Amino acid sequence: SQQGEEDPQALSIQEGENATMNCSYKTSINNLQWYRQNSGRGLVHLILIRSNEREKHSGRLRVTLDTSKKSSSLLITASRAADTASYFCATADNYGQNFVFGPGTRLSVLP
Amino acid sequence: DAGVIQSPRHEVTEMGQEVTLRCKPISGHNSLFWYRQTMMRGLELLIYFNNNVPIDDSGMPEDRFSAKMPNASFSTLKIQPSEPRDSAVYFCASSFPAESYPTDTQYFGPGTRLTVL
Repeated sequence: SQQGEEDPQALSIQEGENATMNCSYKTSINNLQWYRQNSGRGLVHLILIRSNEREKHSGRLRVTLDTSKKSSSLLITASRAADTASYFCATADNYGQNFVFGPGTRLSVLP
Repeated sequence: DAGVIQSPRHEVTEMGQEVTLRCKPISGHNSLFWYRQTMMRGLELLIYFNNNVPIDDSGMPEDRFSAKMPNASFSTLKIQPSEPRDSAVYFCASSFPAESYPTDTQYFGPGTRLTVL
């Protein structure tokens, strides 16, 4: 069964706005990661948050993790057209295995 | 570093033919992953190696698929015989685990787009 499920499936915003994507998962995890995929390219790692962390920042990215709700959110602030891509969450179980990607959120940032 | 290298980038073959996809992980990385991505099924983990040893191959769809990692710098994914439903983009990724966990930040290759006619 799929571990990570992103929400929404697609998101369209104007440049400069913030974009929030959510990820829910089903079982206990060791860590949760967010990746970006530009059309026709491989995935690029954005940020990793471990199960004992609640929030992490990296540039314009902010990730939160709520293990009680089994959910995570990715916030991109002051979005740019170059942020247009698909965003995936991925989880690893407590043993660091069973690495599973969600179906992704397709983000479109309109200039 | 050149990153994860995959070849070929595109492969078009006919049903029944053997297909071999190749991957060179980032030097020093000791975990290697093969994924398949399709519109219908998303990104699926096929197999994962650690220190050249297959750890989890539960995602390999069937006996037609096989993967090897003869050394730390090379891996292959073979499909024999290929079928149209194998058409997908196949990604290889590598990682160097932090602490004691086998999975951490993964670095993806550009992928091989396979079309089976």
